[in-house]
Amino acid sequence: SYEVTQPVSVSVALGQTATITCGANSIESKNVHWYQQKPGQAPVLVIYRDNKRPSGTPERFSGSNSGSTATLTISRVQAGDEATYFCQVWDASTGRPFGGGTKLTVL
Amino acid sequence: QVQLQESGPGLVKPSQTLSLTCSVSGGSISSGDYYWSWIRQPAGKTLEWIGRVSGTGITNYNPSLKSRVTMSADTSKNQFSLTLTSVTAADTAIYYCARDSAVAGHDNWGQGSLVSVSS
Repeated sequence: SYEVTQPVSVSVALGQTATITCGANSIESKNVHWYQQKPGQAPVLVIYRDNKRPSGTPERFSGSNSGSTATLTISRVQAGDEATYFCQVWDASTGRPFGGGTKLTVL
Repeated sequence: QVQLQESGPGLVKPSQTLSLTCSVSGGSISSGDYYWSWIRQPAGKTLEWIGRVSGTGITNYNPSLKSRVTMSADTSKNQFSLTLTSVTAADTAIYYCARDSAVAGHDNWGQGSLVSVSS
């Protein structure tokens, strides 16, 4: 099966920059989407097609995808950014897999 | 703003069939711009894409579930549905319906429906 790897947890101080990675075979050739999920809520799309922001996503959120790793970067982290973040590799042949999720803790 | 709402039984017996419906408001499922997906999440675990259906009934399924999944669309009711056969405890999860924006990800989600498989 096609494996998508994320760190289990990331901690960042308030106001600093958080970086969450997503690794998979040949990921740089595929579209990657990122979702934010807070406890008890449905996921929310925060980045699509590697680096595009839906309306409503703050400019502090950015994405990139190169060299076998996709990355979600959150600048000037706020307390409200604390959540679990999932990447998804948009490839129907492999079942559009999600990563295991990264819990972001704001210190 | 499109809104999605899942409905269906919260408890299904092992070996039986799970059936869920997603009602869509604020937009038509017949729109050619979108597909309509089902995604599930066991408690404390990651998400799993189950498959998708278009307003015209075209389907794509996750290869890992394909043998047990059927999806359909009812444009007259603006709903789409999921059936999953031969369920086991491993199918216990929150089931979400979501809009599938082609290459732009799942941009609208329902609130989720918890389905437990137990005798």
